[in-house]
Amino acid sequence: EPEVTQTPSHQVTQMGQEVILRCVPISNHLYFYWYRQILGQKVEFLVSFYNNEISEKSEIFDDQFSVERPDGSNFTLKIRSTKLEDSAMYFCASYQEDFYGYTFGSGTRLTVV
Amino acid sequence: KNQVEQSPQSLIILEGKNCTLQCNYTVSPFSNLRWYKQDTGRGPVSLTIMTFSENTKSNGRYTATLDADTKQSSLHITASQLSDSASYICVVSAGYGNKLVFGAGTILRVKS
Repeated sequence: EPEVTQTPSHQVTQMGQEVILRCVPISNHLYFYWYRQILGQKVEFLVSFYNNEISEKSEIFDDQFSVERPDGSNFTLKIRSTKLEDSAMYFCASYQEDFYGYTFGSGTRLTVV
Repeated sequence: KNQVEQSPQSLIILEGKNCTLQCNYTVSPFSNLRWYKQDTGRGPVSLTIMTFSENTKSNGRYTATLDADTKQSSLHITASQLSDSASYICVVSAGYGNKLVFGAGTILRVKS
């Protein structure tokens, strides 16, 4: 069964540092997403990406966030200057056009200290 | 504003018993409704997906219902097992290929 792979599984970083979270979506999927889940809260949409550009982003996805698909396989989320409140699980998801192909990765737990 | 509300917030049941989880949504335009199971520290795993025209969908011991008129859905779990302990999340897709709107989840604990 195809999987979405995320690395690292856990990252600890100091406040103000840049982090890059990596995702390898399912190879024939065309839509890519990042979601986050703060401990004890619901999963929240961050950004969707299609055809090498952002198609939609939430108000959470401010200027400190960026996404890239640098080499046609990886899909990355960069946080430029991390804050304590960025501590959360970050989930990558990919989606195919048959409408049922939404698959989530296992997540990266980001801890900002 | 697109919202998904779930009840109860948490539930404890004995192994072997059945339970039903509820979901109400106000999402437009509605595309489909999914139930996910999320183990602690893991990504959500899809259990069922229902479109506007589907009233019920089963996946093993999981049966989901959808009433598009009242914008309500339920997830029924039969003959619960200890491994069913997890968060069950109702998720509504707004528009084709668009972002998912998540409920807060129901935390289910099955005890022996």
